[in-house]
Amino acid sequence: KNEVEQSPQNLTAQEGEFITINCSYSVGISALHWLQQHPGGGIVSLFMLSSGKKKHGRLIATINIQEKHSSLHITASHPRDSAVYICAVSLGGGTSYGKLTFGQGTILTVHP
Amino acid sequence: DSGVTQTPKHLITATGQRVTLRCSPRSGDLSVYWYQQSLDQGLQFLIHYYNGEERAKGNILERFSAQQFPDLHSELNLSSLELGDSALYFCASSENQGWEKLFFGSGTQLSVL
Repeated sequence: KNEVEQSPQNLTAQEGEFITINCSYSVGISALHWLQQHPGGGIVSLFMLSSGKKKHGRLIATINIQEKHSSLHITASHPRDSAVYICAVSLGGGTSYGKLTFGQGTILTVHP
Repeated sequence: DSGVTQTPKHLITATGQRVTLRCSPRSGDLSVYWYQQSLDQGLQFLIHYYNGEERAKGNILERFSAQQFPDLHSELNLSSLELGDSALYFCASSENQGWEKLFFGSGTQLSVL
C-alpha cells in the first residue's frame, strides 16, 4: 500500500463545476503539498499546509491531521485547470521538509 | 517562470554513458532538491542539499551523485546509465530547508537508448 493515496485517479468535469480531489496518507507528517503539473511537464506548487485550510483564488486546500486526509477543491472550474494534481507529504521534520513522498496524481480534464 | 533554471532541457544518450544535469536555484535560495519522475515509479525524491551540504537522501542509486557548489548551483551526475534511468529529472529550490514553498525547474528529460 502506498503511503500517499489520491482519488480519483482520473476526473472529467464540465466548465463551471466544483471539483474535489482527495489525498490520504498513512503516516504522521509535518507538511502536505499540493502540486500542479501541466502537459509539457512543469510543476507548480499550489499549497503547502500543515493544518486547517488555505485559499488562493478559486483553489482551496484543507487538511485534517487526525484523519490523515487532505482535499483540494477547485471552484468554477475552467479548461485551463486541466492538469495533473499531485499530493505530496513531508514525513519528518528536522532538516529536510523537501524530502517528499508523492501520490500518484489525479488527471483532471475540464471541458468547455 | 519559477526562477529555477535547469539545463539541458532534453538529453539523449546511450546505455553505459555518464551525464550531468545542472540546476540553478532562485536567487537567494539555499536549498536544492532533486526529484525523478518516471512512468512506472512516478515522482521520487532523490537528494537535498542545503548551502553546499547534503541534508537528506532518498531513493538515489549508487550510480548517481550530486553536489552543490559555492555559488549554490547544483549538479546531478548519472553514470553507467541504464534504460530504466530514462525519466524526467526535476530540481526545486527553497529559501531555507523546505518549511516553505518549493519552486520547481522545468525539468530535464533524459532518454537512455
